[in-house]
Amino acid sequence: SQTIHQWPATLVQPVGSPLSLECTVEGTSNPNLYWYRQAAGRGLQLLFYSVGIGQISSEVPQNLSASRPQDRQFILSSKKLLLSDSGFYLCAWSGQETQYFGPGTRLLVL
Amino acid sequence: AQSVTQPDIHITVSEGASLELRCNYSYGATPYLFWYVQSPGQGLQLLLKYFSGDTLVQGIKGFEAEFKRSQSSFNLRKPSVHWSDAAEYFCAVVRANFGNEKLTFGTGTRLTIIP
Repeated sequence: SQTIHQWPATLVQPVGSPLSLECTVEGTSNPNLYWYRQAAGRGLQLLFYSVGIGQISSEVPQNLSASRPQDRQFILSSKKLLLSDSGFYLCAWSGQETQYFGPGTRLLVL
Repeated sequence: AQSVTQPDIHITVSEGASLELRCNYSYGATPYLFWYVQSPGQGLQLLLKYFSGDTLVQGIKGFEAEFKRSQSSFNLRKPSVHWSDAAEYFCAVVRANFGNEKLTFGTGTRLTIIP
């Protein structure tokens, strides 16, 4: 069966520091991968999606970037975090017309 | 552009009572419809989905949803809620055969269960 992992689970970072969040999927090949952000009390905002290695589509202009160095690995990064980057970050993969979500990473920027 | 509306931001029901969460969508094409549940601090878990066929779909944890094309609705129901159902519920829609298209989510309905 397929599983999706996110690392780390929780992160507290100072403003201006770099960021790297990792998402890995097991049990499937060539999945579509997605990064979402969920701000406190708000819905889900799609940040990036990828249909293959090195193929990244950005949904909104922002302080973040994404990369897909391997088929089942999706990384969310920032060179300098802003306070507004705080939130709950969710990775998802899609198969059989359905998206499945990881456990999420809670990021607090101070 | 497609949109999803969940008109109830917060619903409170008594344990054992029935539940209905509303979802309306606006879409120019045949939609695929989903309900997800999110417990505090957790990711989203798929409850059920509708692609085609029988408009009443059964999901996990005793939930069901009914697709009504004429009303552009996909309401989620449960006959008797349990305290463990307290969570946030999201309705989502995507165009049929979406491939790499994106889900459009509603803003969510937070469910509180009282004893």
